[in-house]
Amino acid sequence: DTGVSQNPRHKITKRGQNVTFRCDPISEHNRLYWYRQTLGQGPEFLTYFQNEAQLEKSRLLSDRFSAERPKGSFSTLEIQRTEQGDSAMYLCASSAISLPQPQHFGDGTRLSIL
Amino acid sequence: TQLLEQSPQFLSIQEGENLTVYCNSSSVFSSLQWYRQEPGEGPVLLVTVVTGGEVKKLKRLTFQFGDARKDSSLHITAAQPGDTGLYLCAGAPGNSGAGSYQLTFGKGTKLSVIP
Repeated sequence: DTGVSQNPRHKITKRGQNVTFRCDPISEHNRLYWYRQTLGQGPEFLTYFQNEAQLEKSRLLSDRFSAERPKGSFSTLEIQRTEQGDSAMYLCASSAISLPQPQHFGDGTRLSIL
Repeated sequence: TQLLEQSPQFLSIQEGENLTVYCNSSSVFSSLQWYRQEPGEGPVLLVTVVTGGEVKKLKRLTFQFGDARKDSSLHITAAQPGDTGLYLCAGAPGNSGAGSYQLTFGKGTKLSVIP
């Protein structure tokens, strides 16, 4: 049973650098979601895709953030000109379209900005 | 904006004790999910409840969805050290129509079960 896969698991970078994370969803899932989780908080929604279409973006997703899902399979989340406040765990989840569509999460990418 | 409040925020109990975690909102949800998260890992789905008043059991864990679909509870019987972790509730919008997409999470309940 292959779950949601995310890489890298950890990323340490200097402020101002660009970073890119990858998410491979469960193969039969059409929907893919990105969340961000900071210490002591639950995950916060960033954006989601249905197949290759990005259907919703949170206000948390500033113009330095961009997500893509070419061909409706894996997805990438890029952060440009990273800031200290970007340090967090970035979680990817996927779900089927059929109800009730529980979301299954990967183990996340922990981003640390020096 | 839909908000979910979980209580208690922290809970430390002895092995064998029972406990209940609460998840409350003023908003209606089309479904509600409970997850458990270990440090450094992603949330793992425990259960999804979709019908008001629904009760689901998973071994020693009992989940209940409120009649009005605004609140939920998780009850653990005879807690064991392996139950230690962060328990998160997450609600899907009540007007989603096609089902869950943007989940709203509570801040979680950090449970420690002492042997």
